[in-house]
Amino acid sequence: EVQLVQSGGGLVQPGGSLRLSCAASGFSFSSHDMHWVRQAPGKGLEWVSSITSGRTIYYADSVKGRFTISRDNAKNSLYLQMNSLRAEDTAVYYCAGSGWFAYWGQGSLVTVSS
Amino acid sequence: DVVMTQSPLSLPVTLGQPASISCRSSQSLVHSDGNTYLNWFQQRPGQSPRRLIYKVSNRDSGVPDRFSGSGSGTDFTLEISRVEAEDLGIYYCMQVTHWPPYTFGQGTKLEIK
Repeated sequence: EVQLVQSGGGLVQPGGSLRLSCAASGFSFSSHDMHWVRQAPGKGLEWVSSITSGRTIYYADSVKGRFTISRDNAKNSLYLQMNSLRAEDTAVYYCAGSGWFAYWGQGSLVTVSS
Repeated sequence: DVVMTQSPLSLPVTLGQPASISCRSSQSLVHSDGNTYLNWFQQRPGQSPRRLIYKVSNRDSGVPDRFSGSGSGTDFTLEISRVEAEDLGIYYCMQVTHWPPYTFGQGTKLEIK
């Protein structure tokens, strides 16, 4: 059974940092592209960042320079380091797996507020 | 960037009746490899998105056959032949052809009439 188990959300002040993690099991993690997608309260889905199986990285313009995606294939894990957080970054963050977004984690709520 | 436009944004339905959601892209989603990378997702209240359809018309494992996807180029449709209570939620189309960025439609809320 494919599982993506997320951890690391929470409340952070504007300008602060937070790291999200996503532990994968049940599929060949190292062979798949991985992604982060977010959903602001009451809003739709927004792609945030991707890292390919070959470790090529892409970011949405809204997070470029502030967020860093990484992966550890030995630990079957995906990460999102979020710095210089803003109120508009408040959202549920989902990790998603495979090039065509077949697999999704349970979501991590990130709230940026003073 | 490819803009994905769904309609309607709200779809009141009667249980047991069919439903149809349209998704249009601002440019053709035919990839240089000949495939069209258009996904459909279902998001039930309080849950993560779940992929239903990939490459326009391929149902994911475990997806009931009352769900079907069709279309080509820039115009795509998700159809539910007979809506059941468990189908209520928000449906998103997403293009995976021209990236980055990957782009989603605004979402269509399927609700009881």
